[in-house]
Amino acid sequence: KAGVTQTPRYLIKTRGQQVTLSCSPISGHRSVSWYQQTPGQGLQFLFEYFSETQRNKGNFPGRFSGRQFSNSRSEMNVSTLELGDSALYLCASSLDRNQPQHFGDGTRLSIL
Amino acid sequence: DQQVKQNSPSLSVQEGRISILNCDYTNSMFDYFLWYKKYPAEGPTFLISISSIKDKNEDGRFTVFLNKSAKHLSLHIVPSQPGDSAVYFCAARSTQGGSEKLVFGKGTKLTVNP
Repeated sequence: KAGVTQTPRYLIKTRGQQVTLSCSPISGHRSVSWYQQTPGQGLQFLFEYFSETQRNKGNFPGRFSGRQFSNSRSEMNVSTLELGDSALYLCASSLDRNQPQHFGDGTRLSIL
Repeated sequence: DQQVKQNSPSLSVQEGRISILNCDYTNSMFDYFLWYKKYPAEGPTFLISISSIKDKNEDGRFTVFLNKSAKHLSLHIVPSQPGDSAVYFCAARSTQGGSEKLVFGKGTKLTVNP
């Protein structure tokens, strides 16, 4: 059974640009969550989608947005990139609320 | 406000001995707790979970203990193996309200020496 797939694995951008990251959940999983991991802050919750609807959002500025498609695949977008956005962005999916989330290997975003 | 705390950034143990990783939480609404293991350049891998209706859950070499009154949980690894060397994250969430948002601790780096 394929796991959570995130693309691309690595990305280099410059300040002011925008970026779109993609996540394909495990087949059958309808809930998709995004997290940002930085050395100082650990894993911070960005947002969660279920059946194409945003169910919860973390404390991140409006430059961070996301969406989920009918096949449960999800994308997150960051506009007007800042140096502090350099991080590992992780996507996780789960079957339902009583099951653990399973993570992809992340997208490493570096801002120059 | 850090709702999930892992106060030990690192832990070093000898192969074959027990590893004990600790985690404290402050939010009394949390009722589902998980441990993840993370290797460099990989995503977190789910290890074991526990619901607040239990005080212990075991899976092979891994056992999680939950002390609700102290808002404390721990992960025991017995016996520890060099392949267990990784960063371990404690995570918690509330099963009420529909959201599956996880709140993570900052992790404990475990090193198991041969």
